[in-house]
Amino acid sequence: KAGVTQTPRYLIKTRGQQVTLSCSPISGHRSVSWYQQTPGQGLQFLFEYFSETQRNKGNFPGRFSGRQFSNSRSEMNVSTLELGDSALYLCASSFWGRTIMGEQFFGPGTRLTVL
Amino acid sequence: GIQVEQSPPDLILQEGANSTLRCNFSDSVNNLQWFHQNPWGQLINLFYIPSGTKQNGRLSATTVATERYSLLYISSSQTTDSGVYFCAVEGQGAQKLVFGQGTRLTINP
Repeated sequence: KAGVTQTPRYLIKTRGQQVTLSCSPISGHRSVSWYQQTPGQGLQFLFEYFSETQRNKGNFPGRFSGRQFSNSRSEMNVSTLELGDSALYLCASSFWGRTIMGEQFFGPGTRLTVL
Repeated sequence: GIQVEQSPPDLILQEGANSTLRCNFSDSVNNLQWFHQNPWGQLINLFYIPSGTKQNGRLSATTVATERYSLLYISSSQTTDSGVYFCAVEGQGAQKLVFGQGTRLTINP
């Protein structure tokens, strides 16, 4: 079974631009979560989607948004990029049980550099 | 929210040594995972262990949920074990993983 895939793997943008990152979960997984990793803040939760609905959102400004499609693929968008948005963005998928999240599997990440 | 603390932050060992990494968490959890982050940034799943003990080759993990800690053991370390190890937990009803700051393990030949 193929793992979680993320595209693109690397991205360079300038301040003020916007960016869209894509994530394809493991087949059969309906939950997709996004995390941001920076040297200063570590790994932080951005948001989680299940069946096209955002169920949980981390403490990030409204410039960060996402969506999930009917095939469970997800995209996240960052508008009006700032230097501090430079980070590794990781996507994870899981097969949700009735009430618990289950094991999360991560993709290789998208490394975003904002100049 | 739930707090996760990992110790030690850095660990330097010689090849062949054994190591123990610790993860303390501040509240009850539904899920606890250990990851190894490879040099390219991908998080590799090591264990899904909300409670109990599991072993996989030279690695094993134990979670004592009632005392709110988990331990990752690496025996007979190899240079390829070097990297950052993360513990992450899902608090009850949280629907997200909260990560510790990681332990950077360096295995010298």
